[in-house]
Amino acid sequence: ETGVTQTPRHLVMGMTNKKSLKCEQHLGHNAMYWYKQSAKKPLELMFVYSLEERVENNSVPSRFSPECPNSSHLFLHLHTLQPEDSALYLCASSPAGNTEAFFGQGTRLTVV
Amino acid sequence: GQNIDQPTEMTATEGAIVQINCTYQTSGFNGLFWYQQHAGEAPTFLSYNVLDGLEEKGRFSSFLSRSKGYSYLLLKELQMKDSASYLCAVRDPSYGQNFVFGPGTRLSVLP
Repeated sequence: ETGVTQTPRHLVMGMTNKKSLKCEQHLGHNAMYWYKQSAKKPLELMFVYSLEERVENNSVPSRFSPECPNSSHLFLHLHTLQPEDSALYLCASSPAGNTEAFFGQGTRLTVV
Repeated sequence: GQNIDQPTEMTATEGAIVQINCTYQTSGFNGLFWYQQHAGEAPTFLSYNVLDGLEEKGRFSSFLSRSKGYSYLLLKELQMKDSASYLCAVRDPSYGQNFVFGPGTRLSVLP
């Protein structure tokens, strides 16, 4: 248990659906992240929020839309996804400074 | 650019020692991290090196050479539960102090 909770753990959605992934941490961390983990590829940073402000988006397609309403919660809104978006989506948080990140257990997303 | 390399897969025997190498080329460097990830689970932090040398933590040790852009994770007295993927990551100041991850090394520990 890392202190970072993601829901749902598994999600199957059609290409025309709209869904949201949720991440929650009560560790008092200032930064929260969304990563995509595809088979046989490195973890890809999608979005970073520091003190609730987005600081990085890495040219992620607009069909992915993040939201950080407060320092404990992070959402990833999904709409009109493609089959190649099927992956494990991981949320992480970290305190300020050069410390490690703490990961949630991820949401396994399948787009059909 | 940013690039981190690790072997894709390794196999070792229970009770043995295994060394997992990581080489990196990043625009900046502010620490190298090793994570363990069991299948279907979250990556969990193992170790952190920011200065050259060896950091020891029980059965796990990590080494860093900044001049060579090289690190390794050493696992001693291997146990079956050590079968997992091991991720090498660099914090890069030129990348907003964010992590650049390697592809991970899948380690299988055999009886």
